[in-house]
Amino acid sequence: QKEVEQDPGPLSVPEGAIVSLNCTYSNSAFQYFMWYRQYSRKGPELLMYTYSSGNKEDGRFTAQVDKSSKYISLFIRDSQPSDSATYLCAMSAQQAGTALIFGKGTTLSVSS
Amino acid sequence: GAVVSQHPSWVICKSGTSVKIECRSLDFQATTMFWYRQFPKQSLMLMATSNEGSKATYEQGVEKDKFLINHASLTLSTLTVTSAHPEDSSFYICSARVLDPPAGDTQYFGPGTRLTVL
Repeated sequence: QKEVEQDPGPLSVPEGAIVSLNCTYSNSAFQYFMWYRQYSRKGPELLMYTYSSGNKEDGRFTAQVDKSSKYISLFIRDSQPSDSATYLCAMSAQQAGTALIFGKGTTLSVSS
Repeated sequence: GAVVSQHPSWVICKSGTSVKIECRSLDFQATTMFWYRQFPKQSLMLMATSNEGSKATYEQGVEKDKFLINHASLTLSTLTVTSAHPEDSSFYICSARVLDPPAGDTQYFGPGTRLTVL
């Protein structure tokens, strides 16, 4: 079993839809959880950062962490064509001075 | 927010030559930088962790004599791919550790360097 599992998609939604992206993990020691957005041929861009369990909201984006289920989610409200990208979850057991473990990424396409 | 740059953004070289990629933190000092490699439709694979003033720590399976990493200052890390071969063609991305809020303790990534070895 891989440490981090993420459905690669692709996921296609119409503009304005609510998007739900998810990752599961096996290492109960993970405490730091991140979501990155990566456009084609670009480096990943940090979207959300969460420590331990709970929810975090930033504009149209909401990140949720459920450590009991080893499950994290990213919700995108009112999705826009500009949200079309690959979304990578990442996590680590310690502070980011150690390596992040990435999911494979989910490719999202939002059509206008 | 924290900005990380990479140079060059793309490079094409002949087999057997060496290529140097620079990673710079533009508005902050980074004691720790990371080098990743990404193949098409694959996730990022960590190659090595670079700490300023000390030797890099390489992940299992990564040849340290082939991928030379130097972190000589708090704002610059370099990756040199020595005697490059076509199988080294990939997207190389660096990241820098950031300790300041609002991101807390996390990593910011550079835009990546696409290496093509002919």
